[in-house]
Amino acid sequence: NAGVTQTPKFRVLKTGQSMTLLCAQDMNHEYMYWYRQDPGMGLRLIHYSVGEGTTAKGEVPDGYNVSRLKKQNFLLGLESAAPSQTSVYFCASSSTSGSYNEQFFGPGTRLTVL
Amino acid sequence: GDSVTQMEGPVTLSEEAFLTINCTYTATGYPSLFWYVQYPGEGLQLLLKATKADDKGSNKGFEATYRKETTSFHLEKGSVQVSDSAVYFCALSDDYSSASKIIFGSGTRLSIRP
Repeated sequence: NAGVTQTPKFRVLKTGQSMTLLCAQDMNHEYMYWYRQDPGMGLRLIHYSVGEGTTAKGEVPDGYNVSRLKKQNFLLGLESAAPSQTSVYFCASSSTSGSYNEQFFGPGTRLTVL
Repeated sequence: GDSVTQMEGPVTLSEEAFLTINCTYTATGYPSLFWYVQYPGEGLQLLLKATKADDKGSNKGFEATYRKETTSFHLEKGSVQVSDSAVYFCALSDDYSSASKIIFGSGTRLSIRP
């Protein structure tokens, strides 16, 4: 099993450009998540999904959109990139709800917005 | 709301030293507690977890005990190795969430000198 994979690994954008980050998991997990990681701030949840066709906002959703058209894929879109969106983005997935959650993480995408 | 506070880094130790990374939490209900580890250039991996008070999670020589009375989940290891150099995140997941969202601390960078 590949686990959780993310595409691309690195990307540089200019302000105002758009892009989509792809997350794929082969563990048949129901739940998927997008986080951003900034120095000294840990991981902050952007959006999440509890199943195919459903999405919900996390802690820092502004400037991002997501889609979950297939159970195994979770896409994160930036419609008009801003320098404040320079960050490392992590996707995660999990199979359980309640207090026994373990999330499995992808390797991350490092995004720089100039 | 729920939150996690962990010891600020960076922490630098010599090989074979004793390690403690402090973590305290604030939560309603009865959360599960986790330590995740992030090795350089990689995503986060679950290191250990505890799901109820007085539980001890352990893995790879690391241990942490869920202390409800002090709302703490400190990470310890008796003899660290150079390969333990990484960023460590304390985290919690509450059982009132519909999507098992995890709240992460800000991370503690650990460097081990040979």
